[in-house]
Amino acid sequence: DTAVSQTPKYLVTQMGNDKSIKCEQNLGHDTMYWYKQDSKKFLKIMFSYNNKELIINETVPNRFSPKSPDKAHLNLHINSLELGDSAVYFCASSSRQPDNSPLHFGNGTRLTVT
Amino acid sequence: AQSVTQLDSHVSVSEGTPVLLRCNYSSSYSPSLFWYVQHPNKGLQLLLKYTSAATLVKGINGFEAEFKKSETSFHLTKPSAHMSDAAEYFCVVSDQRGYQKVTFGTGTKLQVIP
Repeated sequence: DTAVSQTPKYLVTQMGNDKSIKCEQNLGHDTMYWYKQDSKKFLKIMFSYNNKELIINETVPNRFSPKSPDKAHLNLHINSLELGDSAVYFCASSSRQPDNSPLHFGNGTRLTVT
Repeated sequence: AQSVTQLDSHVSVSEGTPVLLRCNYSSSYSPSLFWYVQHPNKGLQLLLKYTSAATLVKGINGFEAEFKKSETSFHLTKPSAHMSDAAEYFCVVSDQRGYQKVTFGTGTKLQVIP
């Protein structure tokens, strides 16, 4: 009955590979997000989708491509992985209304690029 | 434009003593303010939120925060620290025009000494 679940929990891969991280939420939320947390714990938003529509696309290399097949899923595909992509990636969801609805986070995917 | 500053990157307290984690914010609009907690290898969990209803907000696990507009502060407190409170704490500001415009603080690591 996990609210926001993402897989895998750990991902170790070599430079140049392509990998995907999956996220699913069962909270009935209409908005989903991807955040990147660096080694200093700083959280930065990457993407946000509302009802399968991209609404936030921060300055992220185009090697990162989100895909939302439906409201409950937001996957992140990364091409040509680089060392600097190593981080913890968090999926989150919220309701668009009311405006102050809090974010619900998954437990993160720790990506290590070697 | 909005921003949030967590004044301490590390706070160390003895078990049973009060906790104070400081947060100052800047926002062009009436902000919503949140505190999240992140335990090791976990996602972020909402502790409490301020949405202009009451300036003193009570959250989970005995935490509370007071919104002070004149000081643009939203400090997090707890009367008595418990070992299980050791974690990373994030102050978050969102302007109420739309929740997608969210800014995270850089985090405060709370250490609780037995």
